[in-house]
Amino acid sequence: GESVGLHLPTLSVQEGDNSIINCAYSNSASDYFIWYKQESGKGPQFIIDIRSNMDKRQGQRVTVLLNKTVKHLSLQIAATQPGDSAVYFCAEKGKIYNQGGKLIFGQGTELSVKP
Amino acid sequence: DTEVTQTPKHLVMGMTNKKSLKCEQHMGHRAMYWYKQKAKKPPELMFVYSYEKLSINESVPSRFSPECPNSSLLNLHLHALQPEDSALYLCASSQDPVGPGWTEAFFGQGTRLTVV
Repeated sequence: GESVGLHLPTLSVQEGDNSIINCAYSNSASDYFIWYKQESGKGPQFIIDIRSNMDKRQGQRVTVLLNKTVKHLSLQIAATQPGDSAVYFCAEKGKIYNQGGKLIFGQGTELSVKP
Repeated sequence: DTEVTQTPKHLVMGMTNKKSLKCEQHMGHRAMYWYKQKAKKPPELMFVYSYEKLSINESVPSRFSPECPNSSLLNLHLHALQPEDSALYLCASSQDPVGPGWTEAFFGQGTRLTVV
């Protein structure tokens, strides 16, 4: 992730607006990226993924953009709802064959949706 | 069934205790993982099992001892922990540990561990 320091980056949006959450990844050899949503007291929940041979992928209300030139990943949430309030993590997987999928998480962004 | 089940949900243990965390999945996944997560921080990888063999140990202290009895089960044995080991311990699994068909890791709800 792109944040440094002790504080979790936060994003506050109005219900119905679009949200954009950004992430900078570290390993240029990473070939697979995932966005997870984590609600309080729960484990991370898969939202959407993208492979390094793509630059955009769309799901239901969510879009992930990948810019390999600057090692940047973004998650766009359309028509943000109160239920979208959570911490969002990007995660990257490097090409470590025969060692399992080593999935490394970014720092996370806390999304707060105001009704 | 896309669930990863972790037990117990909460655990309080003393520094001299021995306890175990358990994780189970029935998705036929061949990679299983332990992550540690502190409050307001991302999950940190601890161990990876690939086809029931330990493939990655992220320099985790020996007071944490993983075990993979079979392809569906993953344990984390705890002994002589410190208060700073208090955290949410997450188990995850994924389908293909080694090839280009790797897909997302599914996470359990975690075990909230408190060391007193």
